[in-house]
Amino acid sequence: TQLLEQSPQFLSIQEGENLTVYCNSSSVFSSLQWYRQEPGEGPVLLVTVVTGGEVKKLKRLTFQFGDARKDSSLHITAAQPGDTGLYLCAGGYSGAGSYQLTFGKGTKLSVIP
Amino acid sequence: DTAVSQTPKYLVTQMGNDKSIKCEQNLGHDTMYWYKQDSKKFLKIMFSYNNKELIINETVPNRFSPKSPDKAHLNLHINSLELGDSAVYFCASSPTPGQGPQISYEQYFGPGTRLTVT
Repeated sequence: TQLLEQSPQFLSIQEGENLTVYCNSSSVFSSLQWYRQEPGEGPVLLVTVVTGGEVKKLKRLTFQFGDARKDSSLHITAAQPGDTGLYLCAGGYSGAGSYQLTFGKGTKLSVIP
Repeated sequence: DTAVSQTPKYLVTQMGNDKSIKCEQNLGHDTMYWYKQDSKKFLKIMFSYNNKELIINETVPNRFSPKSPDKAHLNLHINSLELGDSAVYFCASSPTPGQGPQISYEQYFGPGTRLTVT
């Protein structure tokens, strides 16, 4: 079983601050996806990274896939209250004859106005 | 034009009852999934179906039985409900290898069904 450790579990910051969320594993993944989940809704895909060392930017969000494809980070610049939510990383791999995702336990972010 | 829909949104029932949750996707994907999210927000795969055939069945009690009448629908039937079954259940779909962009196979989630067993 592929495991993903996500940290921190909880993060409460003031509007305008920067933050980084980490996702680490001892396993290699073929892709790493980041999702955001709002209360009462399903996770929504933010980005997918597939190449070791890849960096993707989505406005104030920067996603990086580790060189060895075992870890990833999400950096938010100048956080806004609208960034509040549960952030989930998910590692993709082929197994049991299919393509599977294993999720981290999530980071609950609160951005205080 | 909801991509992945689930019904019901909320389900409150007593221990021992049998209940079903329905899921439909209009994305044309061949692969569908059921996940369970516990009170600590940990999202864990339960089942995966590809073209109506079961391809993943994680360690889930056999009281849970998925059924896929066609590739756009994946329903979850739960027998003899227990207190520990209380959770949010999410349906998801994704392209199948060869059907869409390589490697990533992003999953699209439904809004979830909050099941409360009393």
